[in-house]
Amino acid sequence: EVQLVESGGDLVQPGGSLRLSCAASGFTFSDYEMNWVRQAPGKGLEWIAYINSGGGTKEYAGSVKGRFTISRDNAQRSLYLQMNSLRVEDTAIYYCARESHHGSRGTNDYWGQGTLATVSA
Amino acid sequence: QSVLTQPPSASGTPGQTVTISCSGTSSSVGSNTVHWYQQFSGAAPRLLIYSNYQRPSGVPDRFSGSKSGTSASLAIRGLQSEDEADYYCASWDDNLNWGVFGGGTKLTVL
Repeated sequence: EVQLVESGGDLVQPGGSLRLSCAASGFTFSDYEMNWVRQAPGKGLEWIAYINSGGGTKEYAGSVKGRFTISRDNAQRSLYLQMNSLRVEDTAIYYCARESHHGSRGTNDYWGQGTLATVSA
Repeated sequence: QSVLTQPPSASGTPGQTVTISCSGTSSSVGSNTVHWYQQFSGAAPRLLIYSNYQRPSGVPDRFSGSKSGTSASLAIRGLQSEDEADYYCASWDDNLNWGVFGGGTKLTVL
């Protein structure tokens, strides 16, 4: 069974940092591209970061570029999101999601349960 | 404001067919495929439809997707109470060179 389990969400002050993790199981992690998608409280979904299967290609939404870094450790079957210079508007549930081998770019077929990052003074 | 436009709400009674629309532009829906996600309250999104009309394994055939020009639609046939959820469309935008979502539609089963 495919499982994605996020962790690392916390309450942090504006300007602070957080590192989110996503542990994958039930599939060959190194074969799949991965994404981080976030959802502010009561709001819609926003795709914020992408990494290819080998980790050599990383892409970001404009809202987080230069502040967030996506990475992965295929040996540990883990995905990460380093978030720096956090702002109040970064408060959201952060989901890791697996890109499907079917469909076009951004088709996420499995999602974790999410981890909440709250940025507040 | 979302790049893709969805109605904020939709409703229907059990057994009815409900359709949710998703409007984009020539650089998004007009040039790329659309997928749909279902999200129950407090839960993670679930892929419902990909490549405009394809259903992942396990998704009932009551759910169907279509696309025409710069618009797409999700139809739910034989509406059931357990279909009450938020529904999001998504696509790629060639101008933004990034993936975009609709703002979501909250479906209420009356």
